[in-house]
Amino acid sequence: AQTVTQSQPEMSVQEAETVTLSCTYDTSENNYYLFWYKQPPSRQMILVIRQEAYKQQNATENRFSVNFQKAAKSFSLKISDSQLGDTAMYFCAWGGSSNTGKLIFGQGTTLQVKP
Amino acid sequence: GAVVSQHPSRVICKSGTSVKIECRSLDFQATTMFWYRQFPKQSLMLMATSNEGSKATYEQGVEKDKFLINHASLTLSTLTVTSAHPEDSSFYICSARDSRDSGRVSTDTQYFGPGTRLTVL
Repeated sequence: AQTVTQSQPEMSVQEAETVTLSCTYDTSENNYYLFWYKQPPSRQMILVIRQEAYKQQNATENRFSVNFQKAAKSFSLKISDSQLGDTAMYFCAWGGSSNTGKLIFGQGTTLQVKP
Repeated sequence: GAVVSQHPSRVICKSGTSVKIECRSLDFQATTMFWYRQFPKQSLMLMATSNEGSKATYEQGVEKDKFLINHASLTLSTLTVTSAHPEDSSFYICSARDSRDSGRVSTDTQYFGPGTRLTVL
């Protein structure tokens, strides 16, 4: 069975600095997707970034980028120039290539951006 | 694009009553929607997968007679909590799977509704 592990329950970073959130996963599938979702205090889940496993190039979305290491089954999220609005709980998620569309979520990392 | 609405955002009900929560994909069709439950400061727990035109698939341990799911159209799924009890109080979130093949929108991505806070007295 697939599992997703986020080993950092809580993190903090100073505004304008860079922070990296870690995520590891376990799967025997070769084709899959990985996601980072953000859940601010409003509790609305927001897609931050997505990576297809067949792509070697790391995905980037403005200040957000990932370090995808397929062999190591690692998928970390880097937030550059952290802003107060980045304060949220961040979830790493795995989605298989099968047609069920289910996502397997990690436990989440609460990120606090300090002024 | 890829907006999902959820209604109501908050509901308080008496023990023993039933509550219906609606989940709509506003700008895309979703053959598959998902229902999650989330406790404070915890991850999302998948309850069931809702497929348009067919019966929902429930995760192990989720009572299908308690949590009725109907996916009557490509844009609407409903979750009905029947005979609600205080232990059913929680935050319920739906998501819709966007499987469009579009150069602009990522394929096969789940987009989430804003959630419904259910309080059973």
